[in-house]
Amino acid sequence: AQRVTQPEKLLSVFKGAPVELKCNYSYSGSPELFWYVQYSRQRLQLLLRHISRESIKGFTADLNKGETSFHLKKPFAQEEDSAMYYCALREMNRDDKIIFGKGTRLHILP
Amino acid sequence: ETGVTQSPTHLIKTRGQQVTLRCSSQSGHNTVSWYQQALGQGPQFIFQYYREEENGRGNFPPRFSGLQFPNYSSELNVNALELDDSALYLCASSSPARRAGVQFFGPGTRLTVL
Repeated sequence: AQRVTQPEKLLSVFKGAPVELKCNYSYSGSPELFWYVQYSRQRLQLLLRHISRESIKGFTADLNKGETSFHLKKPFAQEEDSAMYYCALREMNRDDKIIFGKGTRLHILP
Repeated sequence: ETGVTQSPTHLIKTRGQQVTLRCSSQSGHNTVSWYQQALGQGPQFIFQYYREEENGRGNFPPRFSGLQFPNYSSELNVNALELDDSALYLCASSSPARRAGVQFFGPGTRLTVL
């Protein structure tokens, strides 16, 4: 069965320090991976997708099929990065059903 | 471009009652997905509607049902409410032909079952 695991419920990082939010998935086929973010009092929104291979707000994520991981990274944390982050998976070329992880709350310390 | 809207914002029901939640998709989107988000959990897929037909379903019992209308808006109906149905219900719209897998979420409906 498809599964997305985010091992950390809470991650506290000092401003200016590097950030890494972990995500592992289990899926036998060819998945598409996403990171969604929810800032305080805002709705859930897409941050980035592995297909785009882009950097958004300084965040990047590389799909590692050997380790079945899609960790989210940023070299220098900013206070506005504080939010809830969800890793998500979609089966390629199928319907738009998204499987979400339980989320990691990122707290940037001043 | 109008975003995804949901109504009502909050709802309180008692066990055994029935509830209908509504969602208007973003302009140009023909697919609507519904998710249940319990406290401290990630969104859990309930089902998806594409062109007024159910197009995929998660691990939810038949008392969770839905509809999609010709204008692509959607309803989620839950019968025989149970205490565990208390959650935030999220609707998301997408356009698979344009950007498959990219979903735009509404603000959610908070359902409390007493």
